[in-house]
Amino acid sequence: SQTIHQWPATLVQPVGSPLSLECTVEGTSNPNLYWYRQAAGRGLQLLFYSVGIGQISSEVPQNLSASRPQDRQFILSSKKLLLSDSGFYLCAWNRGPNYGYTFGSGTRLTVV
Amino acid sequence: EDQVTQSPEALRLQEGESSSLNCSYTVSGLRGLFWYRQDPGKGPEFLFTLYSAGEEKEKERLKATLTKKESFLHITAPKPEDSATYLCAVPNYGGSQGNLIFGKGTKLSVKP
Repeated sequence: SQTIHQWPATLVQPVGSPLSLECTVEGTSNPNLYWYRQAAGRGLQLLFYSVGIGQISSEVPQNLSASRPQDRQFILSSKKLLLSDSGFYLCAWNRGPNYGYTFGSGTRLTVV
Repeated sequence: EDQVTQSPEALRLQEGESSSLNCSYTVSGLRGLFWYRQDPGKGPEFLFTLYSAGEEKEKERLKATLTKKESFLHITAPKPEDSATYLCAVPNYGGSQGNLIFGKGTKLSVKP
């Protein structure tokens, strides 16, 4: 069966520090991978998606970047965090268009 | 313009008091509507996929239905453990390959 792992679960970082969140998927190959941010009252905002190794598309220009160094690994990064980067970050995967997502457990990021 | 709108934003029920949550969408040629449940601090958990008007799916006290313009999540005789935020989503036809557009959710609270 397919599983998705996301870590860390919580993170408190100072403004200006770097960020690296990791997501891995098991039990499937060539998944579509997604990073979302969820802010209170604003719903789920798509940040990045990837349909293959090294293929990254950004939906929202911002202080973050994403990479996919391996087929089932998706990384969200920042060189310098801003206060506005605080939020709940979710990784998800699906098989392709019109398929539902399986989500990771999420990372609560607080930038102080 | 929002493509997925959920109502109400919040719903408080007494245990055993049945009700419905609404998800309306503006996309044409729907290729799937997805319902998720999200508990605080966790990633959304998949509940149902509906593909065509008239389709219904059930799981325990939940039943999802779909028309050409909206979907309902009916909760029959809810229990406190049904308290969660319920999200609906549709595929994004105008942009990213495979990504879903989410509503902002309905926060359900069931009091004993």
